[in-house]
Amino acid sequence: KNQVEQSPQSLIILEGKNCTLQCNYTVSPFSNLRWYKQDTGRGPVSLTIMTFSENTKSNGRYTATLDADTKQSSLHITASQLSDSASYICVVSAAGGTSYGKLTFGQGTILTVHP
Amino acid sequence: DTGVSQNPRHKITKRGQNVTFRCDPISEHNRLYWYRQTLGQGPEFLTYFQNEAQLEKSRLLSDRFSAERPKGSFSTLEIQRTEQGDSAMYLCASSLGPDWSEAFFGQGTRLTVV
Repeated sequence: KNQVEQSPQSLIILEGKNCTLQCNYTVSPFSNLRWYKQDTGRGPVSLTIMTFSENTKSNGRYTATLDADTKQSSLHITASQLSDSASYICVVSAAGGTSYGKLTFGQGTILTVHP
Repeated sequence: DTGVSQNPRHKITKRGQNVTFRCDPISEHNRLYWYRQTLGQGPEFLTYFQNEAQLEKSRLLSDRFSAERPKGSFSTLEIQRTEQGDSAMYLCASSLGPDWSEAFFGQGTRLTVV
């Protein structure tokens, strides 16, 4: 069964600090991995998209890494801001077969940034 | 507004009633996805369309659920004989191929079955 697992489930940090969120996946065949940010009551918004050939991708203060061999990804947030408080969801897209293009979501990491 | 639009934003219905949600994707996006999200969980795949063809349905999509995309543009998701367990946020997303293109999500429809 294709799965995406994230850790930690929740995280509290102080404003200005850095943090790293983890994602492990078993989706196969693999096409790409995405990180989304979801504010409460809103739809997810894409932060990064990485294919198997990409090891790292940055979007402002967000840096995602991908190890396609170990099927692991991380999202690093630097100099956190109060507005970073949200759920961060790791999403893996399958390639080929009947699952072509289907997105499998992790359960998300709830990040809370305190002043 | 050129983003993905979902209507209604909120729906409260009595158990046993039928409900229908609508999703208008970004113009010219050929892929459209439906997901369901319960509190504290990540979205779960329900079904997806490439143009008007429904390519895959999740086992979560029981026979009470049906989705259509008749002209390859907007889509509807209907739930018949709603149950309390159907209470969730229903999210729609669209993308323009290829497979690695960004999927844009709507704001979702929050369904409450009482």
